[in-house]
Amino acid sequence: NAGVMQNPRHLVRRRGQEARLRCSPMKGHSHVYWYRQLPEEGLKFMVYLQKENIIDESGMPKERFSAEFPKEGPSILRIQQVVRGDSAAYFCASSPPAGGGNQPQHFGDGTRLSIL
Amino acid sequence: QKEVEQDPGPLSVPEGAIVSLNCTYSNSAFQYFMWYRQYSRKGPELLMYTYSSGNKEDGRFTAQVDKSSKYISLFIRDSQPSDSATYLCAIKPPEGRRALTFGSGTRLQVQP
Repeated sequence: NAGVMQNPRHLVRRRGQEARLRCSPMKGHSHVYWYRQLPEEGLKFMVYLQKENIIDESGMPKERFSAEFPKEGPSILRIQQVVRGDSAAYFCASSPPAGGGNQPQHFGDGTRLSIL
Repeated sequence: QKEVEQDPGPLSVPEGAIVSLNCTYSNSAFQYFMWYRQYSRKGPELLMYTYSSGNKEDGRFTAQVDKSSKYISLFIRDSQPSDSATYLCAIKPPEGRRALTFGSGTRLQVQP
């Protein structure tokens, strides 16, 4: 499968625990984006990363949330001390480096996070 | 006012009908317009990607952009039950920012 890969597909955590969501971009893509989708709502941008750099984190909550895209390995979205309001589907998208930023973004199938 | 407005539906049509899905946006600086299809429990799948005003056709799908009215549309001809999904419009601001702004999605049901 050459698409955007996200894991796990489903993640259950208790309040106060940490959640780690992983995203491997499409082959040849070096730009990664994270979006959150609450029930009955559209996707909301969280953060845009390139390898080893956070480019735009304007949509990311200031506390408890962090993201990284290391030189090797997948991008990680980390949520510390989860609360019930963090329950949502988290989607990762990727795009190739060419095109001056106007390449379309391709999405994975998401991680559905449930907080007990 | 939301940056992108989209009627949530649901929209129910008989098989073979022409479907019209629409979004309006508020910021004239937006330049790139996309339509994604999302099946239940899956990620958004890119259907159409346009830049300029006018029409773009791909098979049974036609995307239309009217920048003067800040209005974008997706038309589906000869709709099939397999087209039943949620359709999301997405808009990208000018150079320098890559965050897509999505509409809330329109749920479409095509009845066989």
